[in-house]
Amino acid sequence: GAGVSQSPRYKVAKRGQDVALRCDPISGHVSLFWYQQALGQGPEFLTYFQNEAQLDKSGLPSDRFFAERPEGSVSTLKIQRTQQEDSAVYLCASSSRTGYSTDTQYFGPGTRLTVL
Amino acid sequence: DQQVKQNSPSLSVQEGRISILNCDYTNSMFDYFLWYKKYPAEGPTFLISISSIKDKNEDGRFTVFLNKSAKHLSLHIVPSQPGDSAVYFCAARGGNAGNMLTFGGGTRLMVKP
Repeated sequence: GAGVSQSPRYKVAKRGQDVALRCDPISGHVSLFWYQQALGQGPEFLTYFQNEAQLDKSGLPSDRFFAERPEGSVSTLKIQRTQQEDSAVYLCASSSRTGYSTDTQYFGPGTRLTVL
Repeated sequence: DQQVKQNSPSLSVQEGRISILNCDYTNSMFDYFLWYKKYPAEGPTFLISISSIKDKNEDGRFTVFLNKSAKHLSLHIVPSQPGDSAVYFCAARGGNAGNMLTFGGGTRLMVKP
């Protein structure tokens, strides 16, 4: 079956532009996560959805970052007024079960955002 | 404050020998640990996991060991193959961290033929 897909794979933005990054999770997966991976570092948590509910957004670095999952499947991460420090790979992951459990998170290939 | 650390940024091993990747954590509330493997331009791929109630989990050539008292885990790959060359991330979940994964900085493994 299809894995997690993300689009675009690469995005170049001028400082101050708004960008929207899309994630298509594995069909039927109820949990969806966004992570940010800076160059040479491990992924860092941004936000978590269970179906359409955003249960944790504690990792979003500023109010310029906004995520949504209105129908409980596809999710969009939006960054307003991009800054150079937003340059990173944005990873989406999904998992099948709800709540606190040992389910595996499956990652997409990521979107590499470069802000000039 | 890095709660999960991989102190070796890189490791080089000869094909056929054992690769040992290490990971340390500070949050005693973590109760589930995972290893992911990442090739360039791809997302992390799940490799193996271990619950804190166990001290060892084995899957083919891959074995993860957990030492809770030392807050240390390691991934052993035996025998190492050139296709194992990738960046390996240790991750942890649990306690007040909820469902999110907390990752280490990664170790780049190079297996030489």
